[in-house]
Amino acid sequence: NAGVTQTPKFQVLKTGQSMTLQCAQDMNHEYMSWYRQDPGMGLRLIHYSVGAGITDQGEVPNGYNVSRSTTEDFPLRLLSAAPSQTSVYFCASSYRQGQNTEAFFGQGTRLTVV
Amino acid sequence: AQSVTQLGSHVSVSEGALVLLRCNYSSSVPPYLFWYVQYPNQGLQLLLKYTTGATLVKGINGFEAEFKKSETSFHLTKPSAHMSDAAEYFCAVSVRPGGSYIPTFGRGTSLIVHP
Repeated sequence: NAGVTQTPKFQVLKTGQSMTLQCAQDMNHEYMSWYRQDPGMGLRLIHYSVGAGITDQGEVPNGYNVSRSTTEDFPLRLLSAAPSQTSVYFCASSYRQGQNTEAFFGQGTRLTVV
Repeated sequence: AQSVTQLGSHVSVSEGALVLLRCNYSSSVPPYLFWYVQYPNQGLQLLLKYTTGATLVKGINGFEAEFKKSETSFHLTKPSAHMSDAAEYFCAVSVRPGGSYIPTFGRGTSLIVHP
């Protein structure tokens, strides 16, 4: 089982460059989300999606765009990279089945903006 | 809105000692509660969760947590620490029907285990 797959694992960008972090899940989960992890800050929600074609902003959305054209994929776009976006990015997918729910995480993308 | 507060960014214990990691939540509706563990340079792995039913929840690796509604707490415990328990631990909350089921995380607690 692949679960949640993120690519790339590592990336170095120059300030002002744009790029897309890829996230794919093969569990047919409704919900997908992007977090960034910074020391001492825990995981902060960037954007999330409750289904194909539906996205919404999280706690720290500025500088990022998302779209969800299929259930499986939820790419995160950095429009014009800034050093403040240096972070580890995690994609997650989650489900709800009756009273049960759980989120599954990818292995992360470590992004450095110079 | 939902939120989570983890008390203590670092907890240090000796091998064999009790582990207690504290988590308090805020939610306007009945919550789902989770503990995740992150080993160095890895993603997050679910330790345990409370969704409904029994308030004492057992997870993997000997960890357990108790949901206390009156105290809005979901503290994580393990009777005897092992060196392999050294990791970052995150408490998270997501809300039941009406919410988005997207978890909100605390800032994390780093567990240090001394020989």
